[in-house]
Parts: sequence; structure tokens; C-alpha cells
Amino acid sequence: GAGVSQSPSNKVTEKGKDVELRCDPISGHTALYWYRQSLGQGLEFLIYFQGNSAPDKSGLPSDRFSAERTGGSVSTLTIQRTQQEDSAVYLCASSSGTGDYVYTFGSGTRLTVV
Amino acid sequence: GQSLEQPSEVTAVEGAIVQINCTYQTSGFYGLSWYQQHDGGAPTFLSYNALDGLEETGRFSSFLSRSDSYGYLLLQELQMKDSASYFCAVRLTGGGNKLTFGTGTQLKVEL
Repeated sequence: GAGVSQSPSNKVTEKGKDVELRCDPISGHTALYWYRQSLGQGLEFLIYFQGNSAPDKSGLPSDRFSAERTGGSVSTLTIQRTQQEDSAVYLCASSSGTGDYVYTFGSGTRLTVV
Repeated sequence: GQSLEQPSEVTAVEGAIVQINCTYQTSGFYGLSWYQQHDGGAPTFLSYNALDGLEETGRFSSFLSRSDSYGYLLLQELQMKDSASYFCAVRLTGGGNKLTFGTGTQLKVEL
């Protein structure tokens, strides 16, 4: 697509429920990144994909968080047993390859856990 | 640890020039990037410094001094639409293929 698309744009869920966040990167971009941004804060790295592989998962905060990427394209970030501290904007970005400094971000999914 | 520090907030008037600083403590990185994020929007790439010195892109310029562990973004002829958050970011050597972002600066442009 022309840009990075994320869905849903907003998600309200009850504590303890599982949620899935979707990211559709720019066509042909091999690198995909997930970041988390709490209100008024910076961008916290979660995970990086190169193709379908995730060579860097160092930012995932707990084993409740997982992500996958299929077909070198769409990625889903899954949060199990959501907690209130998971409330944040989850941003996805893609870039054309390794060593990039130009990321194209999606508009994010605002997750609210109540 | 690796950290990039920025002032949390800067206020300036329309038409003025403003400088947003980024100071870092890191053992090594490939270059310094700058991103802009409007409220509720996606961060967008502004500028990149691979080497020390000044890079100019229209009203925006960015500067890097590795010896001083310091960089800045300079915005000239400020417009109301420049009100946004600005983040510096680096790809750390040995840190994999990801950008590490600074703490962010909220710029408010006033009339």
C-alpha cells in the first residue's frame, strides 16, 4: 500500500482479555518494527522483523506479548491477559531494509485497558 | 546505559527561530535522525546526520557533533503548523537494526 496501515485505530478492552493489533507495511519493505508510546512519552522499542524472522525481540515487556509476521508483509502484535499498564499507543513502522534510518510509521492503535 | 535526552517542552513565537537539543550518552551510533509527530499522528522523518556538521532541508536544519555528544534541530521561520513533538533517534552500533528514540520535545508555537 501507499503507507503503513494499522488496525484497529482504537481498541478498548477489559482487563484480562487478549487483543490483536494489525500492521500492514509498505509493499516491498522488508523491515518492520513495533513501538509503544505511553501518553506524552517517547517511543519504546518492542520488536523488529526482517522478512518473517524476528532477530530482535528485546523490547517485549513480558511473555504476554508476542508478534508474528507472515508472507513478509502483515504483522500482528498479540497481548494476552491485558493489564492496565498495557494502555498506550502501539506504533508500527516499516523500512526498505537493514541499516535504515528512515522509517515510515502508521498512525498507531490506541489501546485502552479498563 | 544508552540515552538521548531532550528538553521536554519549548515555546516560541511564530516567525522566530528555535533550537531543540539532543544530548546523548552512548558508546557509538551510525547517525542522528529527527522525527516530527503531531498530536495523534504518526512520527514522520525530518532529517539525518551521518557525519558531524550541519544538514539543511528547507526551514529545518540539523546539526551533529560527535565530540560533544550533542546534536540539535533548528527550525526557522516558525509556523503554527510546526507545533508538534520532535524526537531525535539513533541506530546504536551493536544495537541491532532498530532506532532508539530520545525523550521527545513538545514545541508550542504561539502568535
